[in-house]
Amino acid sequence: GESVGLHLPTLSVQEGDNSIINCAYSNSASDYFIWYKQESGKGPQFIIDIRSNMDKRQGQRVTVLLNKTVKHLSLQIAATQPGDSAVYFCAETVAGGATNKLIFGTGTLLAVQP
Amino acid sequence: GAGVSQSPSNKVTEKGKDVELRCDPISGHTALYWYRQSLGQGLEFLIYFQGNSAPDKSGLPSDRFSAERTGGSVSTLTIQRTQQEDSAVYLCASSLYGQGFFGPGTRLTVL
Repeated sequence: GESVGLHLPTLSVQEGDNSIINCAYSNSASDYFIWYKQESGKGPQFIIDIRSNMDKRQGQRVTVLLNKTVKHLSLQIAATQPGDSAVYFCAETVAGGATNKLIFGTGTLLAVQP
Repeated sequence: GAGVSQSPSNKVTEKGKDVELRCDPISGHTALYWYRQSLGQGLEFLIYFQGNSAPDKSGLPSDRFSAERTGGSVSTLTIQRTQQEDSAVYLCASSLYGQGFFGPGTRLTVL
């Protein structure tokens, strides 16, 4: 199955530093991408999304970059805080497609050191 | 506004018993997903419902697992003859235009 049996890669950063979490997506037809944050004991929560007609989108302290040429997505978190410690997942889909099924990446554990 | 809800939040069962996990999606959402997440691991896709289309069952790990969605709303994931390796958090998500909204999950422990 998708994202099965893989232990999560970990990114460890110092509080106040910027974090960059990367994701390679699989379907060149995907045109809508989402980043989720999952805190311990909770379901994943939406952070930010981007459509394929854009290559950058900014939110509050977060920026998503999309490189369609190499099918790469990244999430940048500015001035990382202890509350940012969580697992981060990227997801892709063909919005408006026949099924628009969400496909999730493996996930990255972000550990913020005080 | 109500989000996705799941019940029970925790379920402890004995090996060999059947369990049913329930998901109440956001009203009007046509797509519904079930995922499984073991401790410290990623999201394992189980099944996907979209409107009246046949469900995508490609992620179900064995024929002990089944799911249905009644009336295009509530979904039930059933695990028959549970095994210890079924212990995990089972997450449900619903969506309308692509962005999935997740429930809090059901933590299943098989003794």
